Amino acid sequence: DIQMTQSPSSLSASVGDRVTITCRASQSISSYLNWYQQKPGKAPKLLIYAASSLQSGVPSRFSGSGSGTDFTLTISSLQPEDFATYYCQQSYSTLPWAFGQGTKLEIK
Amino acid sequence: QVQLVQSGAEVKKPGASVKVSCKASGYTFTSYGISWVRQAPGQGLEWMGWISAYNGNTNYAQKLQGRVTMTTDTSTSTAYMELRSLRSDDTAVYYCARTAKRYNDAFDIWGQGTMVTVSS
Repeated sequence: DIQMTQSPSSLSASVGDRVTITCRASQSISSYLNWYQQKPGKAPKLLIYAASSLQSGVPSRFSGSGSGTDFTLTISSLQPEDFATYYCQQSYSTLPWAFGQGTKLEIK
Repeated sequence: QVQLVQSGAEVKKPGASVKVSCKASGYTFTSYGISWVRQAPGQGLEWMGWISAYNGNTNYAQKLQGRVTMTTDTSTSTAYMELRSLRSDDTAVYYCARTAKRYNDAFDIWGQGTMVTVSS
């Protein structure tokens, strides 16, 4: 199975900060990497698919990059509504379509 | 609008079965797959499996093989997930999510979640 490892597990930041979350796959997954945002008590929301494609309706301050095994999610200028937990997920042909363990982004 | 609406919360005893439904609307049901994801209290997301709404093909997480069955009813645009021989560690929120080839199989639409509690 392909393992997905996110870092950091938690992060404290301030409104206006630039934040980067990383995700590493245990083997190459090409660009089959997706990012989700989850707020407490809510279903996850797709932010980025195919490593760098912004889902419709998602603010442009969110961006994704990477291919192969190493990926990043960047929030260019944190807004109050961005404090949430973020998950990466691989959707390569090799099942299972595993998620990373999550990164909790908190207000400093 | 495009949405997935799930059935309500369930409380089950250990050893019982649960069947969660996920009704799709606002899109052509058979043009997408449905994945099921669960989240235990305070924990991360766990992919459970996927079903093609086009032909019923399935893929299940190995740890759930033999206990889980995913089906669809195209006449009502509804997907179902049945989990048998429930244990306390199956207590979780269960989500269905639309799986789109055009998004590299990302999960672009999610249901609201169904809380399943397993307790004696």
